[in-house]
Amino acid sequence: DTAVSQTPKYLVTQMGNDKSIKCEQNLGHDTMYWYKQDSKKFLKIMFSYNNKELIINETVPNRFSPKSPDKAHLNLHINSLELGDSAVYFCASSQDLSSGGTDTQYFGPGTRLTVL
Amino acid sequence: AQTVTQSQPEMSVQEAETVTLSCTYDTSESDYYLFWYKQPPSRQMILVIRQEAYKQQNATENRFSVNFQKAAKSFSLKISDSQLGDAAMYFCAMNRDDKIIFGKGTRLHILP
Repeated sequence: DTAVSQTPKYLVTQMGNDKSIKCEQNLGHDTMYWYKQDSKKFLKIMFSYNNKELIINETVPNRFSPKSPDKAHLNLHINSLELGDSAVYFCASSQDLSSGGTDTQYFGPGTRLTVL
Repeated sequence: AQTVTQSQPEMSVQEAETVTLSCTYDTSESDYYLFWYKQPPSRQMILVIRQEAYKQQNATENRFSVNFQKAAKSFSLKISDSQLGDAAMYFCAMNRDDKIIFGKGTRLHILP
């Protein structure tokens, strides 16, 4: 009964490669997010999608491209990986962004990306 | 700019004792939500407690309670009867606009 799941949990890859992280939620939520947690544990939002439409796009390199095939999925594709991309990436979902983002966000288990 | 501040990078508490984690924030809005999230070694982010700014009553969830001081923009988390399973990173968070802003976290150690 996993609410928000991410795959893979660990991803180790070489610099310059292209990789994807998948996220799925079975909560029936309308909004999904991607966060990046850096080595100092600080969490920063990267993207937010509401019903498959991009709502928030923080300043991230355009090598990062979110893809939302349906409202239960928000995948993160990263091109030309760099050393600085190494981090833990969290997916999250919430019920209704139009209510002002006040609904609690439920997080996935995280994906630790290591770029060598 | 960071608008949620956790001034204690690490804290320790003896098992069965009470500990308070501090959090301050900055916002110009009058209505917002505040959260405490727990991140154990498994890295899963778990919602511990949530507080609605328009409610004066402090939120409680079993052994977890908050001291919400709206005028002071302070939102501390109190953990009573600390248990070994409480050891984790704790993040304070606030919703602003369409997103949630997190503090940098406080790592809590439980001493047996």
